[in-house]
Amino acid sequence: GQSLEQPSEVTAVEGAIVQINCTYQTSGFYGLSWYQQHDGGAPTFLSYNALDGLEETGRFSSFLSRSDSYGYLLLQELQMKDSASYFCAVSSGSGNTPLVFGKGTRLSVIA
Amino acid sequence: ETGVTQTPRHLVMGMTNKKSLKCEQHLGHNAMYWYKQSAKKPLELMFVYNFKEQTENNSVPSRFSPECPNSSHLFLHLHTLQPEDSALYLCASRTLAGNTGELFFGEGSRLTVL
Repeated sequence: GQSLEQPSEVTAVEGAIVQINCTYQTSGFYGLSWYQQHDGGAPTFLSYNALDGLEETGRFSSFLSRSDSYGYLLLQELQMKDSASYFCAVSSGSGNTPLVFGKGTRLSVIA
Repeated sequence: ETGVTQTPRHLVMGMTNKKSLKCEQHLGHNAMYWYKQSAKKPLELMFVYNFKEQTENNSVPSRFSPECPNSSHLFLHLHTLQPEDSALYLCASRTLAGNTGELFFGEGSRLTVL
């Protein structure tokens, strides 16, 4: 089977840094993606890691360790608008292999 | 605006009704998906279409019937649903060139079955 584990809720202060972890167990692994979903909105793509290491995109960074089956999303200089749910997702193969999603982490940014 | 449009955004139906959800993308993508999103659960993959051909049915009950008339449109036909089918139904699309893990989602159709 395939499973992804991530914390259900995280709370952080505006301006701070927060890290959302994701561990996975899949029959194959091709890459790890992160998505953001605001209440009532569509999930939107944030990042993708196929190789070990850190990928940085503005205030958001994503890290992958294939040997540990682990990744994280790092959000810096938190803003109130970052309050949303964040999902990790695994691609277990190339081409049209569908993504398998985690249950999501609800991030609340407080003043 | 993701380029993937779903209608209706909200739908209430009885268990004996027949309704359809529609998804349309103008991104030139050639793969389309239906996902189900319920509270406290991961997004559940339902169906995959690749160049209009169904390539995966993730053990979905037959009361859900997909249709993909062309690479830009995807439907989910609903009949004799159960209250536990109440959820947000998300359509997504992607290009098959490469695999960057990027799906483009619509905003979903919120379904309530009475």
